[in-house]
Amino acid sequence: GAVVSQHPSWVICKSGTSVKIECRSLDFQATTMFWYRQFPKQSLMLMATSNEGSKATYEQGVEKDKFLINHASLTLSTLTVTSAHPEDSSFYICSARIVGSWGRGQPQHFGDGTRLSIL
Amino acid sequence: GQQLNQSPQSMFIQEGEDVSMNCTSSSIFNTWLWYKQDPGEGPVLLIALYKAGELTSNGRLTAQFGITRKDSFLNISASIPSDVGIYFCAGSALNRDDKIIFGKGTRLHILP
Repeated sequence: GAVVSQHPSWVICKSGTSVKIECRSLDFQATTMFWYRQFPKQSLMLMATSNEGSKATYEQGVEKDKFLINHASLTLSTLTVTSAHPEDSSFYICSARIVGSWGRGQPQHFGDGTRLSIL
Repeated sequence: GQQLNQSPQSMFIQEGEDVSMNCTSSSIFNTWLWYKQDPGEGPVLLIALYKAGELTSNGRLTAQFGITRKDSFLNISASIPSDVGIYFCAGSALNRDDKIIFGKGTRLHILP
């Protein structure tokens, strides 16, 4: 089945540090990847949609300068949390959708998430 | 905006019992998805539904796409300990470019 790899799985860093999270589709190509944030005991909230070769589309209320997204290839998207602060601590999860699956709501396949803790 | 109401929020059942959970939306969806999330991991797709009225099974799991296109249910038969986790419904609508919206989840606990 489709595998999405996310790295790192866990990171702790000081306030003010920038943190980069990678999302890779291992056995398929993904023109579109999605980034979610999940707080404890809550659901997944979509932050942005990342399209290969173009700018990401951010959901309302998500700061694009704070959460930088780069989707440089069909198998890799990165999320950089810039100047992270304790309130940015959360579980960040990416997902990817297989190329050529438009129009049928093809399921997204999720990575295992990155737990970010800002001290 | 679109919202998904998922119920129940949590369930405590005995091993071997059947489980039922459902989701309703305020507007029409063209796809319904059911995911399971274990602690510290990403969601794993259980069942995908694409047509109103569609009934799909995956082992002991059965899900249906409501005929009004505003609801879906997931049933788990003969629950086992590894069924413990959080189950999320998710839907996508034509007017949101296939982005999916998640319900708030149903936490399943199995009593020994």
